[in-house]
Amino acid sequence: DGGITQSPKYLFRKEGQNVTLSCEQNLNHDAMYWYRQDPGQGLRLIYYSQIVNDFQKGDIAEGYSVSREKKESFPLTVTSAQKNPTAFYLCAASRDRSPMSSYNEQFFGPGTRLTVL
Amino acid sequence: GESVGLHLPTLSVQEGDNSIINCAYSNSASDYFIWYKQESGKGPQFIIDIRSNMDKRQGQRVTVLLNKTVKHLSLQIAATQPGDSAVYFCAELKGNYGQNFVFGPGTRLSVLP
Repeated sequence: DGGITQSPKYLFRKEGQNVTLSCEQNLNHDAMYWYRQDPGQGLRLIYYSQIVNDFQKGDIAEGYSVSREKKESFPLTVTSAQKNPTAFYLCAASRDRSPMSSYNEQFFGPGTRLTVL
Repeated sequence: GESVGLHLPTLSVQEGDNSIINCAYSNSASDYFIWYKQESGKGPQFIIDIRSNMDKRQGQRVTVLLNKTVKHLSLQIAATQPGDSAVYFCAELKGNYGQNFVFGPGTRLSVLP
């Protein structure tokens, strides 16, 4: 999976609990991303980070939070404010940092399936 | 297994036949496109990419065609094999940075023995 690890593979959470999904990369890529994947829909961007200690909201950031304290790590917290958290969550990384000299292929992790009980 | 892709369009092909998977994109200014393959319960894997200054690009057993006039992208897989069974989706880059990718919902390819 391109040097990106996500853990755990399956995660169960009770309603009202926060939960943190792990994403680690050894590609030395600057940019990292979190996507949510639901049946019948394309990937939707939750948050992204182009550099350490900086991150930006994506299209569906409400109810989620992230941190980027280290280049190789970009954990995602699904908070109790997220109304429909059950989904497949994908983390990705790309070299993306400056205007493209090479295009920004994203390498994906294996995903975490979150189910809220 | 992973439930992603339950409601996707499905393409069924006989093993050994060629497969053609289509994708319509939205932005005529998009200048970079990627095809991904996603097997059940796994993350997407890069297959092939193409820039907007090209009409065609070939890889190993795969060809991507880009028709900018009608904003259409296709992925052709030659001599389809059982291991090709997966969900395939396209991604278009609408800006200069990776966060500007827009992903299609995908097509499920089933290879029949």
